[in-house]
Amino acid sequence: NAGVMQNPRHLVRRRGQEARLRCSPMKGHSHVYWYRQLPEEGLKFMVYLQKENIIDESGMPKERFSAEFPKEGPSILRIQQVVRGDSAAYFCASSPESYNEQFFGPGTRLTVL
Amino acid sequence: AQSVTQLGSHVSVSEGALVLLRCNYSSSVPPYLFWYVQYPNQGLQLLLKYTSAATLVKGINGFEAEFKKSETSFHLTKPSAHMSDAAEYFCAVSSPSGYSTLTFGKGTMLLVSP
Repeated sequence: NAGVMQNPRHLVRRRGQEARLRCSPMKGHSHVYWYRQLPEEGLKFMVYLQKENIIDESGMPKERFSAEFPKEGPSILRIQQVVRGDSAAYFCASSPESYNEQFFGPGTRLTVL
Repeated sequence: AQSVTQLGSHVSVSEGALVLLRCNYSSSVPPYLFWYVQYPNQGLQLLLKYTSAATLVKGINGFEAEFKKSETSFHLTKPSAHMSDAAEYFCAVSSPSGYSTLTFGKGTMLLVSP
């Protein structure tokens, strides 16, 4: 059973471009969480999704950021018009049920030039 | 609201010495508590978790943690450090009611010298 997969592992964007981060949960997992890790900081919750539903996006910036988890395919975290402050590691985690242990992917390291 | 405080952004020990990483939490309800380890440029791996069963929890790689409600603490220990334990360690808390989003501490980097 493959673990949580994230791609790309590294992403470089110039200011103003769009960044798309993908997360494929573990097989059988229907709950996905996105976290952001800024330098010298712990992970901060961004958004929690189930298939085709956003359950909690209280940690997501109100502008430029969006997330989806379609019926088919990976979960996508989209950042429009990136700025240097968006440079961070973005981690995805999945669980089979909402109360269960979360399994983390290897992360996508976004660098904004 | 929940929060986690990890005392010491860096902890240095010698190989074979006791490892003690401190974690204090704040939660309005009895929490679930976790310790994760992160190796450079990798994701987080669960070391152990407390979910209101035994207060002394044993995890992987010889680590254990004790939940102390009176001290609101969940410190991580290992009797004898190994070079391969050098990594960053994160303490996290979640609520047992509702869905389980995690609130993380800022992390403690464990340095192990020969």
